[in-house]
Amino acid sequence: AQTVTQSQPEMSVQEAETVTLSCTYDTSENNYYLFWYKQPPSRQMILVIRQEAYKQQNATENRFSVNFQKAAKSFSLKISDSQLGDTAMYFCAFTILMDSNYQLIWGAGTKLIIKP
Amino acid sequence: KAGVTQTPRYLIKTRGQQVTLSCSPISGHRSVSWYQQTPGQGLQFLFEYFSETQRNKGNFPGRFSGRQFSNSRSEMNVSTLELGDSALYLCASSLLGNTEAFFGQGTRLTVV
Repeated sequence: AQTVTQSQPEMSVQEAETVTLSCTYDTSENNYYLFWYKQPPSRQMILVIRQEAYKQQNATENRFSVNFQKAAKSFSLKISDSQLGDTAMYFCAFTILMDSNYQLIWGAGTKLIIKP
Repeated sequence: KAGVTQTPRYLIKTRGQQVTLSCSPISGHRSVSWYQQTPGQGLQFLFEYFSETQRNKGNFPGRFSGRQFSNSRSEMNVSTLELGDSALYLCASSLLGNTEAFFGQGTRLTVV
């Protein structure tokens, strides 16, 4: 079975600090994409960052970066210089690239609170 | 470029009724996926449509169905509503299905 595990239900940090959210996943497939999505109180799911499994280089998007360890099946998200607007639920997800089976498998989410 | 539009935003229905939710994807996107989000089960995949064909279906009972029109707009229907169907229903559109998915703001369905 393909699963995603986010072991931190909730995290809280001070504004401007760096925070790392953890994610592990399980799949026997070799070709897949990994994602971090953010869901603020407005409920809209917003893509934060994407990583192709065949790429060894870790993806980076401004203050957001990932630490992708394929062998360990680990995909953590680092948020640098955290801002109040980063307060949200963060979901780790992946999709397998085969057989037109393009569904996202989701973790349970981490609630991130940035304190002023 | 307009985003993904889901209507209605909120809906209250009675047990046993049926409901239809609508999703208009980003212009040019051919894939539309539906997800159910609940506090207990988290995010679960319902189904995905591409060019009017259902390509993939999640593990939901037959009361959950959907369709996609030639303009890529999609609807999902839930018949014989149960209390457990209360959830946030999210629609996502993407170019081909395996590319970046853009989500709508969801429809909050409450079954009483």
